[in-house]
Amino acid sequence: DTAVSQTPKYLVTQMGNDKSIKCEQNLGHDTMYWYKQDSKKFLKIMFSYNNKELIINETVPNRFSPKSPDKAHLNLHINSLELGDSAVYFCASSQVGEGFSTDTQYFGPGTRLTVL
Amino acid sequence: GEDVEQSLFLSVREGDSSVINCTYTDSSSTYLYWYKQEPGAGLQLLTYIFSNMDMKQDQRLTVLLNKKDKHLSLRIADTQTGDSAIYFCAESSEGNEKLTFGTGTRLTIIP
Repeated sequence: DTAVSQTPKYLVTQMGNDKSIKCEQNLGHDTMYWYKQDSKKFLKIMFSYNNKELIINETVPNRFSPKSPDKAHLNLHINSLELGDSAVYFCASSQVGEGFSTDTQYFGPGTRLTVL
Repeated sequence: GEDVEQSLFLSVREGDSSVINCTYTDSSSTYLYWYKQEPGAGLQLLTYIFSNMDMKQDQRLTVLLNKKDKHLSLRIADTQTGDSAIYFCAESSEGNEKLTFGTGTRLTIIP
């Protein structure tokens, strides 16, 4: 009964390929996030969706496209992968109340992407 | 596996100091972090400390690390209403790049 799950846990691929990372939460939350953990292990927000609508879109290359088919899923598709995309990507979810007073975020286990 | 624990709630009067505590189990932890989550926003890195340090100070923030007890704390001096948020402790270790997060501590400021 994992709360926030990501697949795959590890992804090794060649430069130039297109790949997707999937995230699912069974907590009934209405908001989901994608973070990138950089080489210094700092976590940076990439995207956030609330009820399938994009609400946070930080400056990331447009090769990254999030897709939320329903509020329990937020997938991250990456086109034309580059070496610099190698990182650990974390998905998270939370329940956002009125006035965007958030509840705590629950994190997935992370997906380690390696681009060769 | 690694485990990071925090108390869920903390209430502090405006102007007092806040101390948020965190314990972790991984003795090989190399880096320890404090993140802040404000309403409607993603996590924001506040500060971090290497495991060979005991203390780090950055303006109103003081991080204390007791490596023997695997205990990390974040002290916020002169707590303001803008400090209301959820604070996450996280750790990572050499050879394991993924961050492991605590459950977060919700800090509420009492006027």
